[in-house]
Amino acid sequence: GAGVSQSPSNKVTEKGKDVELRCDPISGHTALYWYRQRLGQGLEFLIYFQGNSAPDKSGLPSDRFSAERTGESVSTLTIQRTQQEDSAVYLCASSPSLGSSYNSPLHFGNGTRLTVT
Amino acid sequence: KQEVTQIPAALSVPEGENLVLNCSFTDSAIYNLQWFRQDPGKGLTSLLLIQSSQREQTSGRLNASLDKSSGRSTLYIAASQPGDSATYLCGGTSYGKLTFGQGTILTVHP
Repeated sequence: GAGVSQSPSNKVTEKGKDVELRCDPISGHTALYWYRQRLGQGLEFLIYFQGNSAPDKSGLPSDRFSAERTGESVSTLTIQRTQQEDSAVYLCASSPSLGSSYNSPLHFGNGTRLTVT
Repeated sequence: KQEVTQIPAALSVPEGENLVLNCSFTDSAIYNLQWFRQDPGKGLTSLLLIQSSQREQTSGRLNASLDKSSGRSTLYIAASQPGDSATYLCGGTSYGKLTFGQGTILTVHP
């Protein structure tokens, strides 16, 4: 069965450009999460979706970061005017509906490695 | 705000040894505590999930415990193997958000 799919797997961009990162969760999973992992560091929470709504956006580092989800499926994380400090692996995870997601493990994709030159 | 700490940051052991990884969290109002492993260049793989009402979970050579009152969880790995080498991460779920520790880098040498 298909797991969480992220694309692209690698992205190199110039400082100042905009980038879009995509996440396809496991079919039927209504909860979706974005994390950032800088080199040698732990996972930093960015945002999570329940369905198409984002109850908690507290982790987004700045107004250059935004995310959306449509059809309770695909999610896109957009970073505008990228900076070198945005270089990191961006990980997406999904889990079943909120009622059970508290006690269901998260399923992670392999991440998108973003390098801003 | 939930904060999760893992010690040690790195651990190197010979094959066959039993070992314990530690995780502590500041907010005891967690719904669950999860342990993951991360291999280089990969995402996270779920190992064990302990619900807030549970004390421990076991899967094969892995056993995880949870003590909410002291804010601690341990992951016990029995008879370690070189294939266990990876980064191990714990995370506590509070109000829908899973907060991770920095991880423990485990190396099991033959």
